[in-house]
Order: sequence, then C-alpha cells, then structure tokens
Amino acid sequence: DSGVTQTPKHLITATGQRVTLRCSPRSGDLSVYWYQQSLDQGLQFLIQYYNGEERAKGNILERFSAQQFPDLHSELNLSSLELGDSALYFCASSHPAGVVNQPQHFGDGTRLSIL
Amino acid sequence: QQQVKQSPQSLIVQKGGISIINCAYENTAFDYFPWYQQFPGKGPALLIAIRPDVSEKKEGRFTISFNKSAKQFSLHIMDSQPGDSATYFCAAYTTSGTYKYIFGTGTRLKVLA
Repeated sequence: DSGVTQTPKHLITATGQRVTLRCSPRSGDLSVYWYQQSLDQGLQFLIQYYNGEERAKGNILERFSAQQFPDLHSELNLSSLELGDSALYFCASSHPAGVVNQPQHFGDGTRLSIL
Repeated sequence: QQQVKQSPQSLIVQKGGISIINCAYENTAFDYFPWYQQFPGKGPALLIAIRPDVSEKKEGRFTISFNKSAKQFSLHIMDSQPGDSATYFCAAYTTSGTYKYIFGTGTRLKVLA
C-alpha cells in the first residue's frame, strides 16, 4: 500500500461531460503529481502541485485543470470529455525536498471510460 | 530531447534467468533515474533509483547500471521469478530550470515457471 488514495476507482461517463478525480497524498507529502496512462501513450505527466501551488506542467490539455487544497488533497477536473480521454489517471505524491528529486509514490488510479 | 527511449517492449525470460531492460535519454539535465514496477490493476511502485554520480546500484536481485557518457541506463533482474512478471517503466526526472518527469513506454516482462 503506497499510502496514496484515489477516488473513484472507476468512472463511466459520456462525451461532453465533466468529471472530478480526487487524490489524497501520503501523510507528510507536500507534492502531488497527476499522470495519464493510456495504451498507446504510456505514462504521461500532466501537472504537479507543491503545497497548494502549481509547480510544473506537462502535457495537460486546456480542458483539464487541477488544484491542491490546504489539506493537501488534490483534484483533477476533466471537462468537455472526448473518447480519447479514456485512460487510467494516476496521482502520485512525494516528500518535500527542495531541489533534490525524490521518488514518487503512486495511487492505484482512476479508470475513466468515455462512452 | 525530452524523450526516454525504453526497450524492449516485451520480454520473456525463463525462471532463474536474467532480465535486462534498457533506457536511453538525451537531456543531460536529468538528475534522477527511477525504475517502477507495475502489476495489473495497480499503480506503478518504485523499485530502485539512481543518481548520475553513481555507475551502479544494487538492491537484492535488482541492479541499475548507469552510463552517463552514453546517456543510457539499464535494469537487471537476476534470478528472475514468475512473481517478477509485470510491466517495468524507467523514468528520468529533472528540477534543473524547469521540472520534468519523463517516463519510458514500458516493458512487459513475463517470467516462465
């Protein structure tokens, strides 16, 4: 058990809809990362938050947004959903560590299916 | 320049054999190289990691070999076991300038009993 909790585990919705994925990081971790994993694209980094502030952006679409709340949990919002957004979405967290990279601990993901 | 190229895409090894997965990168700003193991239905789990000032790191049956001049690193699984059957991802991180977390495309390993 990584200590990172993601909800829901599965989400089925239709094109054009909006969904919110939730992540609770490991106790004490200030950084939260979001990734998208699809069969043809592997694991793609979307965005990182550190202690409530956006720290890094990867290949995140404009239709997607995220935030990290004062209690350090994070939400990933996906809007105007398209069939191609069907994927596994992972959240990861890491210990705060200045400029030194630290390992990321992943949750078990949310499987999003767009019908 | 941001890619991490991973090979092979899939690998079948006999029990007790050595599994070798290779990764190559281009961006010299990467300063942390973790390997993750992922079982079906689970998130990736950190297996072992190395920093570029070290050429090799060993943890149990798992070894990372790092060649800084060639910009390549590899994972060796000694005495491979059926329980090692999983997908393995290499990754490269940097916080130099901008923050980047780049993953390889994964290697599906199957260890035959």
